[in-house]
Order: sequence, then structure tokens, then C-alpha cells
Amino acid sequence: IAGITQAPTSQILAAGRRMTLRCTQDMRHNAMYWYRQDLGLGLRLIHYSNTAGTTGKGEVPDGYSVSRANTDDFPLTLASAVPSQTSVYFCASSESQGSGYGYTFGSGTRLTVV
Amino acid sequence: GENVEQHPSTLSVQEGDSAVIKCTYSDSASNYFPWYKQELGKRPQLIIDIRSNVGEKKDQRIAVTLNKTAKHFSLHITETQPEDSAVYFCAARANFGNEKLTFGTGTRLTIIP
Repeated sequence: IAGITQAPTSQILAAGRRMTLRCTQDMRHNAMYWYRQDLGLGLRLIHYSNTAGTTGKGEVPDGYSVSRANTDDFPLTLASAVPSQTSVYFCASSESQGSGYGYTFGSGTRLTVV
Repeated sequence: GENVEQHPSTLSVQEGDSAVIKCTYSDSASNYFPWYKQELGKRPQLIIDIRSNVGEKKDQRIAVTLNKTAKHFSLHITETQPEDSAVYFCAARANFGNEKLTFGTGTRLTIIP
């Protein structure tokens, strides 16, 4: 692994099903984030974690949950998928608070809920 | 919280001409302003950033300017080339007590050969 890895790359999911999007980084970054990208709306923050063991809600958290059991992994779970959650999901990470560095993004997961 | 507005949403320029994308932010505590380039089907990638203690930063054909008083910052691309065609996002972040970047809605830049 080099950088930040997301899985799966794409997924078609039936409405009502549960799904977990995986995100793993090997840069020892403290902070991690989940964004969704929709046409015309840019990147909107779903959830974030400033350090292992802590999480917080972003701009559009409803219907999603996250956990941060360790530094490297930050999975995003859709408990019961709905069509409005069709989107491209990007995981990102950054160095510790106050560093001023930008994000490193994963390659994204394209999710279609039908 | 922070609000970032980005204009224009689409921009077409002739190859070799310059392109300018502008962003405004609302939180005067923001002090870090990165720009990301996203090619079709790819992840956003950092191309340049600026901190609030400088007014301008250049990297070859790309430059960013910051006006803290007016709370706006701009991306300038000179001598545009076809490979500059992409979606560009600006972002802003307060450095102290808040890690999160707030993104603009993006500008789709098309370079016309």
C-alpha cells in the first residue's frame, strides 16, 4: 500500500441493504475524512476523525456512520442505503492538526443505489 | 462554519491564453487555502496552496493570490495547455482547532485547442 486505498472501486447496491466502504492509509496521518462528490455540489464532508478513537459529524452525516479503531483504517457504513446516497465517495487523510498540509485523497468509490 | 464560493462554474479558454478562477471565503480565521485539480474519473490532487502570511505564490505556470482583507483568493493558470482541462476546486481551512477543509463547488476548465 502506498498512500491511501479505498475499496471497492465501484458498487451497485439495492436500496435497503447495508454496505461498508473501506479506507486504509499507510502514511500515519492522524486525521481522516469522508466526502461525497455530486455534480454541481462539489465535495461535501460526511464524517471526519481527528485522531484514532474520535469521530465527528460533517455537513451531510445522516444515513452514514464511521469508526476509527486505529490510525490506518476509517470505514464508512451505510446502514440502509437509499437512492439519494448514489454518489462518488472519497476518503482523505492529512497530517496532524495545525500542520497546514492539504489532503491526500483515495481513488474514490462510485456507489449506485437502485 | 466556513462557506466557500467559487466562480465561474465553467470556463473555456483558448490554448495559450490565461485562466483565472476566483473563490471567496466567509471565516476570517481561515489561514490555509489549497487548490485541487481533478481530471475525469480521477481523485482530486493538490496543485498549489497558500497560507495567510503570504499574498502570492507561484509554481511554474500556476499562481495563487490571496486578499485577506476582501477574503478572496484566486488561481491563475498562464499559457494554458490541453492537459490543464479538468475540474478545479478551491478550499479553505482555519488552522487552529479545526482540521477540516471546506471546498468550493468546483470549476470545469476546458482548454480549446
